Amino acid sequence: QLQLQESGPGLVKPSETLSLTCTVSGDSISSSNYFWGWIRQPPGMGLEWIGSVSHSGKSYPSPSLRSRVTMSVDASKTQFSLRLSSVTAADTSIYYCARRNLNWKAFDIWGQGTLVTVSS
Amino acid sequence: SVLTQPPSASGTPGQRVTISCSGSSSNVGSNTVTWYQQLPGTAPKLLIYSYNQRPAGVPDRFSGSKSGTSASLAISGLQSEDEADYYCASWDVSLNDYVIGTGTQVTVL
Repeated sequence: QLQLQESGPGLVKPSETLSLTCTVSGDSISSSNYFWGWIRQPPGMGLEWIGSVSHSGKSYPSPSLRSRVTMSVDASKTQFSLRLSSVTAADTSIYYCARRNLNWKAFDIWGQGTLVTVSS
Repeated sequence: SVLTQPPSASGTPGQRVTISCSGSSSNVGSNTVTWYQQLPGTAPKLLIYSYNQRPAGVPDRFSGSKSGTSASLAISGLQSEDEADYYCASWDVSLNDYVIGTGTQVTVL
């Protein structure tokens, strides 16, 4: 059974770069039927799509975050990663990684999420 | 968000509850709609894809539909375990963005 698990620092200082990794277990990350995505949720608020990355590493960031987002895939480790630069308190959120099913056009499997707080 | 949902909905056990998702021709009107369920303190879960398809394991009391630039999620035979936040989502071709609705909190009275 496919599982996703986010990992990374829970506290990041303002103006620094947030870095998260999602480890995929139970299946390969190389299938062309799926992309791999990041979604975030500020505490008590709604969901926001950050972006998706293909198995080959091609990135599709949200236009609102494009200038600050970098995504990558490491198929050998069955991991994909997110870097968000120049963070502010507004970036404090629960960050979820998820698998995007291209046939269904939906995020069909989600990680449990990790809270990242931006504070000095 | 460009997808508007009512902030809350409620019903008694066994009732039917409907949640709307209002969009535009650049998202709901031209692309598939997905619904996610988020139980308290947990990650979102895929509930409905391609307007009205349910993944394995999702009870058939959940159903989706679309009319023009709006979509709806219906919960028939409401149960206490359906208390959650529900989000609609769709690709917006004008914004080139995956837009997610404002969310609806469903309460079982």
